[in-house]
Amino acid sequence: EVQLEESGGGVVQPGGSLRLSCTVSGFSFSVYWMSWVRQAPGKGLEWVANIKRDGSEEYYGPSVKGRFTISRDNAKSSVFLQMSNLRPEDTAVYYCARAPGGSYPYYFDSWGQGALVTVSS
Amino acid sequence: SYVLTQPPSVSVAPGETAMITCRADSPESQTFHWYQQKPGLAPVLLVFDDSARPSGIPDRFSASNSVNTATLTINRVEAGDEADYHCQVWDSTEGLFGGGTKLTVL
Repeated sequence: EVQLEESGGGVVQPGGSLRLSCTVSGFSFSVYWMSWVRQAPGKGLEWVANIKRDGSEEYYGPSVKGRFTISRDNAKSSVFLQMSNLRPEDTAVYYCARAPGGSYPYYFDSWGQGALVTVSS
Repeated sequence: SYVLTQPPSVSVAPGETAMITCRADSPESQTFHWYQQKPGLAPVLLVFDDSARPSGIPDRFSASNSVNTATLTINRVEAGDEADYHCQVWDSTEGLFGGGTKLTVL
């Protein structure tokens, strides 16, 4: 069974940092793109970042570029999202998602349960 | 980048057919994907590559794409189909989601 489990969410002050982790099981981690998608309270989904199978390519959404960094550890079947200079508008549930694409992620076929990040003073 | 536009809400009676549209204001041809999200839960992939269904998704759910307007069709709507539905495309190096459509089963 494919499973993705996020951890590391919490409350952080504006300007602070937080690191999310996502550990997966049930599939061969290294053959998939991995992604982060977030959802602000009462809002739609927003793509945040992707990382290629071997970590050689990363892509970011315009609202987080330069502040967030995605990384992965294939030996530990884990993907991470380092978030810096956090703003109140970054408050959201952050989902880890698997992307089966080739040259690009294209779509997300499995999702974690989400981790809540609240940016507030 | 560009915008994907979905209607905020759609209402349908049980047993009827629901149609949810997603329009991309892009000059280039796009491939659409659809997700279902029930309250408090993570999204679930419903349709990929315009019209393909993952295993386990009932054939009551179908989708099409015509000149960058995608349509998700749900036949014989059930109470359990009440959820938010999100369309998504991959544009160059960026993922884009529509604003989501809340399906209400009357």
